[in-house]
Amino acid sequence: GQNIDQPTEMTATEGAIVQINCTYQTSGFNGLFWYQQHAGEAPTFLSYNVLDGLEEKGRFSSFLSRSKGYSYLLLKELQMKDSASYLCAVTGTYKYIFGTGTRLKVLA
Amino acid sequence: DTGVSQDPRHKITKRGQNVTFRCDPISEHNRLYWYRQTLGQGPEFLTYFQNEAQLEKSRLLSDRFSAERPKGSFSTLEIQRTEQGDSAMYLCASSHPDRATYEQYFGPGTRLTVT
Repeated sequence: GQNIDQPTEMTATEGAIVQINCTYQTSGFNGLFWYQQHAGEAPTFLSYNVLDGLEEKGRFSSFLSRSKGYSYLLLKELQMKDSASYLCAVTGTYKYIFGTGTRLKVLA
Repeated sequence: DTGVSQDPRHKITKRGQNVTFRCDPISEHNRLYWYRQTLGQGPEFLTYFQNEAQLEKSRLLSDRFSAERPKGSFSTLEIQRTEQGDSAMYLCASSHPDRATYEQYFGPGTRLTVT
């Protein structure tokens, strides 16, 4: 079967670093995505990993270990506007499976 | 604006009625996806089109849900005999044909309320 697990909620302080973990089980794997979704809005793309290792993009980095079925999203220098849900998604062929999302609250 | 557009943005209907939603993807994107999202959940995959061909669909689309993309451009999602459990946000997304880039661009969604 296919399953994605990520924490439901996390809280962090403005200026801090936070790591959001995602574990997955899938019958086929063609990449892992992270999306950001603010309340009431559509998801927006953050990162894509298909090979093991770390992908860095500004304040955001994403890591993948295919052998462990594990990824994390690292957010540095947190800002209030980073308060949102962060969705982990994997794709095999054409189908995308999303996790339930991690709701991140950034406190001043 | 060249983003993904969806129409209508909100739809209120009575149980048992049929509804149809429209999605216009980004013009050069040949891949189109439909998702359903309820509060506190991630998007749930419904179906995928590559050009006009429907290549993948959830078991949900074997019953009251159907989707079309007749000319490989816009797509429609129809829900027949709506039920209260169908109340959700229906999201459309598109992606570029370059296989190195699987990034999906989401539309603003259609919020369906079934009373």
